[in-house]
Amino acid sequence: DVKVTQSSRYLVKRTGEKVFLECVQDMDHENMFWYRQDPGLGLRLIYFSYDVKMKEKGDIPEGYSVSREKKERFSLILESASTNQTSMYLCASSEGGALAKNIQYFGAGTRLSVL
Amino acid sequence: AQSVSQHNHHVILSEAASLELGCNYSYGGTVNLFWYVQYPGQHLQLLLKYFSGDPLVKGIKGFEAEFIKSKFSFNLRKPSVQWSDTAEYFCAVMGGPTSGTYKYIFGTGTRLKVLA
Repeated sequence: DVKVTQSSRYLVKRTGEKVFLECVQDMDHENMFWYRQDPGLGLRLIYFSYDVKMKEKGDIPEGYSVSREKKERFSLILESASTNQTSMYLCASSEGGALAKNIQYFGAGTRLSVL
Repeated sequence: AQSVSQHNHHVILSEAASLELGCNYSYGGTVNLFWYVQYPGQHLQLLLKYFSGDPLVKGIKGFEAEFIKSKFSFNLRKPSVQWSDTAEYFCAVMGGPTSGTYKYIFGTGTRLKVLA
């Protein structure tokens, strides 16, 4: 079974703090994704990475950055947390390559509250 | 623009009722289609998928979905729901193998509540 592990289930931070959300997958997947999930808005892609040190902006990258130094680890960084970044953050991974089925596997999520 | 629409935001059914959740997409070219489910307190997991071939696909727990290309639709169905189907359901679309993308576009989700 693919396992995608997010380091924290719940996180409470103060406005202006730098926040790191960590995600690790154990299936040697090339692709990794960060989403935020908000009621009524579904899942919105923040950033994704298709290889080590490679990244692409998703639909809502403003206020976020990412880091992928190792294949299994993908970090989401909030440089200066704001209250409108209070949300559920989901990490996912999928195989890469033209023949990949591209099924995304999700972590349990990190519920971030910014006060 | 590429998009996925789930028109039913909240659905309440009694046990044994039939279910159909609508999903329409706007996407040029071939597509891969997915339904994901999120049970209360659990992580998002794949319910079923369509890549090619038979447009009627079957997934876990008795769910099925039909891809109708002419209608740009991929509706989810279950003949008889159970209380344990209470969850949020998300439709997603991704470009086909030649699209060069691995990104999903998700719908906004449908919250299903099944009354015992």
